[in-house]
Amino acid sequence: DIQMTQSPSSLSASVGDRVTITCQASQDIRNSLNWYQQKPGRAPKLLIYDASNLETGVPSRFSGSGSGTDFTFTISSLQPEDIATYYCQQYAHIFLTFGPGTRLDLK
Amino acid sequence: QVQLVESGGGVVQPGRSLTLSCAASGFRFSKFAMHWVRQVPGKGLELVALISYDGSKKEYADSVKGRFTISRDNSKNTVYLQMNRLRAEDTAVYYCALGGPDWGQGTLVTVSS
Repeated sequence: DIQMTQSPSSLSASVGDRVTITCQASQDIRNSLNWYQQKPGRAPKLLIYDASNLETGVPSRFSGSGSGTDFTFTISSLQPEDIATYYCQQYAHIFLTFGPGTRLDLK
Repeated sequence: QVQLVESGGGVVQPGRSLTLSCAASGFRFSKFAMHWVRQVPGKGLELVALISYDGSKKEYADSVKGRFTISRDNSKNTVYLQMNRLRAEDTAVYYCALGGPDWGQGTLVTVSS
């Protein structure tokens, strides 16, 4: 299976801050990467697919980049409603695997 | 639109069995692979099992191999997860997922005596 790592594991930021999360795959996954947002008690919500494509209806302050093994997720200006846990997920291999998550809270 | 509705969760004693169901609608169910993903409370997401569009290919996480069985009935647009010899560490919310944006709301399985 492809292993996914994320950093940081947690992050405190202020409203308006630029927030960056990184994700690394254990082998080349091309651009087969999703980014999800999850709030307590809710299913994960897809934000970014194919590493850099914004899902329909998702605010443009969210973005993603990268290919191969190294990926970045950015919130350009943090809003209170963005407080959540964020996961990367690869789908290059049939057996989907997730990063361990980054918990984002307000400073 | 795509709808995935899980059912069958609950409290079960260690060593016992439970079967989860996921009723799908809003897409050509028989054309797509389906997944069961679980989340231990307060922890991350783990793919438990997947099944190909026609049921011919199944894969499992090492943590459940030999105990869980995924199956599907394309005539009923439903995917199942049969869970045998349950352990306390199987306690989690179980999500049915098509992939991408399409997930069910989850069903909680609690393994406790």
